[in-house]
Amino acid sequence: DAGVTQSPTHLIKTRGQQVTLRCSPKSGHDTVSWYQQALGQGPQFIFQYYEEEERQRGNFPDRFSGHQFPNYSSELNVNALLLGDSALYLCASSSPTLTDTQYFGPGTRLTVL
Amino acid sequence: AQSVSQHNHHVILSEAASLELGCNYSYGGTVNLFWYVQYPGQHLQLLLKYFSGDPLVKGIKGFEAEFIKSKFSFNLRKPSVQWSDTAEYFCAVNDLAGTASKLTFGTGTRLQVTL
Repeated sequence: DAGVTQSPTHLIKTRGQQVTLRCSPKSGHDTVSWYQQALGQGPQFIFQYYEEEERQRGNFPDRFSGHQFPNYSSELNVNALLLGDSALYLCASSSPTLTDTQYFGPGTRLTVL
Repeated sequence: AQSVSQHNHHVILSEAASLELGCNYSYGGTVNLFWYVQYPGQHLQLLLKYFSGDPLVKGIKGFEAEFIKSKFSFNLRKPSVQWSDTAEYFCAVNDLAGTASKLTFGTGTRLQVTL
C-alpha cells in the first residue's frame, strides 16, 4: 500500500517564476492538504482540497493556488515566486471525516534564488 | 486563531534518560491532538493521537502523551529514550470549529540522544 507521494523531490527556481508541485494521496484517502515548512519552523497550513474543491485556506496570498483531480491527486501552484517561498512543501492526505488523521508525504524542497 | 506552543526547542538526553516534551494549545473548544515525529532524512510520521476518551494515550515506540484539558496541554513522555529516538518532534492540534481538518503545528522540539 503506497503512502503519500510527492514530486519532484527538489526544485530550484528564480524569483518571479512559477512552480507546480504534485501529490498523490494514500490509497483510500480523498482529502489532500498542503503545508509549507520553513527552516526551523513547524508546518503551516496552506489549504485543503476535498471533492475537487478548496475547503479551507490558511493565511497565504492568492499566489498560492491548487487543484484536485478526480483521482484525488492534487497540485500546488505558486506564481511570482519570492525568496521567502523557499521551504519544504508537504502534502498530507486523509479520509473524509473531520476526526481524520493526516498522513504526510516526503515533501518537495523548493529553493528560490 | 489557534496556536500551539512547544517550550523546549532543543533537548539533549543520554540514553535511558526519561523524556517529557511540553505542548500547550490555545483553543478552548473541542480539539484533536497529535504528536508527529520527523527522523533525520525522513518524512513526518504520526507518533500518537488523542480524539476522545482516556486522556492518557499510547503511541508507537513506547511513547505516550497525556491530555490535560484544564491546562490546555498534551505533553509527550517516554520513560527511557534510545539513541534512535533522535529526531524532531511536533505537536499539532486540529480544532473542529471549521469544515476542514486543518492542523496547527508547534515550532518543534529537536531531541538529541547521546550514547
